[in-house]
Amino acid sequence: AQSVAQPEDQVNVAEGNPLTVKCTYSVSGNPYLFWYVQYPNRGLQFLLKYITGDNLVKGSYGFEAEFNKSQTSFHLKKPSALVSDSALYFCAVNGNNRKLIWGLGTSLAVNP
Amino acid sequence: DVKVTQSSRYLVKRTGEKVFLECVQDMDHENMFWYRQDPGLGLRLIYFSYDVKMKEKGDIPEGYSVSREKKERFSLILESASTNQTSMYLCASSGTGVGHMNTEAFFGQGTRLTVV
Repeated sequence: AQSVAQPEDQVNVAEGNPLTVKCTYSVSGNPYLFWYVQYPNRGLQFLLKYITGDNLVKGSYGFEAEFNKSQTSFHLKKPSALVSDSALYFCAVNGNNRKLIWGLGTSLAVNP
Repeated sequence: DVKVTQSSRYLVKRTGEKVFLECVQDMDHENMFWYRQDPGLGLRLIYFSYDVKMKEKGDIPEGYSVSREKKERFSLILESASTNQTSMYLCASSGTGVGHMNTEAFFGQGTRLTVV
């Protein structure tokens, strides 16, 4: 079965420290992978995507993600966290039946 | 700036009412989607459409229907609202190709529906 896992419900990090939000996936074929962010009481905003090519993808607000095919992972990273990065983060992968498959989300809290 | 607009941010409806949630996008996107978001359950796809007058069921279509008469507008209809349909509803659109294989989706602000 195709699936996306975000193994951590919540991630806490101090401001200025690097952050990682984890995502692993299980799909057949070549995946298209996405990260979205949701601020409180808002819709989701696209951060970045991996389609093909360089395994390190750079996106909005200083975020980047590394595609690792052997580990079937697509972890979101940022070198130096800001308090304003506190939000809910979703990983998604295309399913071969044309639907996006979503992780359950990870709540990131950046502490001053 | 790309825009997906949902007609209401907050709605309160009574059990048994017919409810219409409207979504309009101004990006000439082919694909449009309705999701519901509940704590601990993530995003669940209700219906999607990849062309005018076309629709496909998502993962949880029961109790819902949709209408896409024009490319820019995708409506979600709750035929007879029930309390278990209290949720955050999110509309999204994406650009090219069938489905949304490699193009990112743009989301509206969401409609928080409460059914009492």
